[in-house]
Amino acid sequence: EDQVTQSPEALRLQEGESSSLNCSYTVSGLRGLFWYRQDPGKGPEFLFTLYSAGEEKEKERLKATLTKKESFLHITAPKPEDSATYLCAVQYYGQNFVFGPGTRLSVLP
Amino acid sequence: EAQVTQNPRYLITVTGKKLTVTCSQNMNHEYMSWYRQDPGLGLRQIYYSMNVEVTDKGDVPEGYKVSRKEKRNFPLILESPSPNQTSLYFCASWPSFGDTEAFFGQGTRLTVV
Repeated sequence: EDQVTQSPEALRLQEGESSSLNCSYTVSGLRGLFWYRQDPGKGPEFLFTLYSAGEEKEKERLKATLTKKESFLHITAPKPEDSATYLCAVQYYGQNFVFGPGTRLSVLP
Repeated sequence: EAQVTQNPRYLITVTGKKLTVTCSQNMNHEYMSWYRQDPGLGLRQIYYSMNVEVTDKGDVPEGYKVSRKEKRNFPLILESPSPNQTSLYFCASWPSFGDTEAFFGQGTRLTVV
């Protein structure tokens, strides 16, 4: 069964303390891997799409990378406004998106 | 403003009382989908629609119905809600199947007692 897992489930960082979130998938025929940010009480908001191993995308303090079996979302010098749940989703060729359970990030001032 | 609008945002209902959650998008998107989000389980797809009059089951379709009579609207129908359908529901749309960026609605928090 195709699966998407994320770790850790929750992460607490001090402001400025860099870290990484992991998204692992078991799938053949990957079309793309996506990262979304979700604030409490709101719908997910698109961040990045990665298509092939070795690809990297950056946006402000966030950088997403992709290998053959996992993706990392690196957060450099986070700020309290980066606190949110980060969702990873995988799309297979001809299939729909499969979302991971998310990592709940808290950045303390 | 490009958006996906869901209504209502919050709903408390009783077991067995039929309800409809509406979803409307103003971006002329072909592909729309409904998800439910439960703690620890992430977003799970209920139904999706690749265009008008074309709908199909997702991973957890039991107890739900949908229709796509117009491109902009994709209502979710619970004919006989049960407590296990208490959840946070999201509607999403894409320009077409295979497009990467999904636009999500604000969510509907449903409680069935």
